[in-house]
Amino acid sequence: QKEVEQNSGPLSVPEGAIASLNCTYSDRGSQSFFWYRQYSGKSPELIMFIYSNGDKEDGRFTAQLNKASQYVSLLIRDSQPSDSATYLCAVSQGAQKLVFGQGTRLTINP
Amino acid sequence: DGGITQSPKYLFRKEGQNVTLSCEQNLNHDAMYWYRQDPGQGLRLIYYSQIVNDFQKGDIAEGYSVSREKKESFPLTVTSAQKNPTAFYLCASSPSRAGGLYEQYFGPGTRLTVT
Repeated sequence: QKEVEQNSGPLSVPEGAIASLNCTYSDRGSQSFFWYRQYSGKSPELIMFIYSNGDKEDGRFTAQLNKASQYVSLLIRDSQPSDSATYLCAVSQGAQKLVFGQGTRLTINP
Repeated sequence: DGGITQSPKYLFRKEGQNVTLSCEQNLNHDAMYWYRQDPGQGLRLIYYSQIVNDFQKGDIAEGYSVSREKKESFPLTVTSAQKNPTAFYLCASSPSRAGGLYEQYFGPGTRLTVT
């Protein structure tokens, strides 16, 4: 079992709809969870982080964390073509390292 | 203008040559990291450093070496012992605060091609 798993996609969503990205992790001791956006050929850009169970909202983005079920998700409301990218989930391993999933490729169709 | 710089953006080398990738940050972050990304894959940790003059191996350290002589700088050397060096190399830094791991910020990356 991979330490951090994401659906590789591609996930295709119509413009204006909600995009839902999911991530599961294996280490029950993980405390910090991050979502990065990576455009093709570019480096990852941090868009959200969450440490506590529940929802965290920032503009059109909502991160959801459920430690009991070991999953974290990212919702993108009112999806725009500029949201088309690969989204990477990252989970802390101990106090010093992050483990990344392989990423989900998201395409927003106008 | 705070941030992380990596140079060069593109690097071409012949097999058997060592090459050093530069990473500099002016964010006053304590921790720095090197990752490798291959096409269609996530990031894999090569080396990381929490403080000056100290660093630890990540998951794929074989064939790589690093130094951390200054807080701002964390260069990575890809040696001839690295069997598949062609990849996208990403440097990141993070504020280091007591009690936990905090967000990492990435530089623009160096794309290395070895033929």
